[in-house]
Amino acid sequence: EVQLVESGGGLVKPGGSLRLSCAASGFTFSSYSMNWVRQAPGKGLEWVSSISSSSSYIYYTDSVKGRFTISRDNAKNSLYLQMNSLRAEDTAVYYCARDSGSYLYYFDYWGQGTLVTVSS
Amino acid sequence: DIQMTQSPSSLSASVGDRVTITCRASQGISNYLAWYQQKPGKVPKLLIYAASTLQSGVPFRFSGSGSGTDFTLTINSLQPEDVATYYCQKYNSAPFTFGPGTKVDIK
Repeated sequence: EVQLVESGGGLVKPGGSLRLSCAASGFTFSSYSMNWVRQAPGKGLEWVSSISSSSSYIYYTDSVKGRFTISRDNAKNSLYLQMNSLRAEDTAVYYCARDSGSYLYYFDYWGQGTLVTVSS
Repeated sequence: DIQMTQSPSSLSASVGDRVTITCRASQGISNYLAWYQQKPGKVPKLLIYAASTLQSGVPFRFSGSGSGTDFTLTINSLQPEDVATYYCQKYNSAPFTFGPGTKVDIK
């Protein structure tokens, strides 16, 4: 059974940093691109970042470029999102999601999400 | 960047009704379009990819169509468990943008 478990969320002050993790199991992690999608309270889904299976290709939405860094450790079956210079508008539930496995970035499995709150 | 829009933003229909949601891309994306369902308080679920391919396990009352810039998600015979917000998403190239969502409830 595919499982994605996010951790690392919490309350942080504007300008602060946070590192999210996603522990994957039930599939060959190193064969899949992985992604972060967020959802602000009461709002829609927003794609944040994607990383290919070997980390060769990395993509970000414009609003997080230069502030967020996606990475992965295939030996540990883990995905990460380092978030720096956090802003109030980064407040959201952050979901880890697996892509389809064919370098096609639609998402067939999602974690339960971790809440990030940026507030003073 | 390509923008995604959806219409309507919300709708209310009766059980058994046929429901149609439209998604439009500001530029052509071929058939690189997915649909997701998010029930209240739950995680998004993939319904359809490649514009019209039903994800395994998804009820056959859901169907998708379209190519290029205009796409449709249809729910044949709406059921109470279909109350949710539905999102389209483009994946032809980054950014892998979601539409704003369509909220569906029961009349």
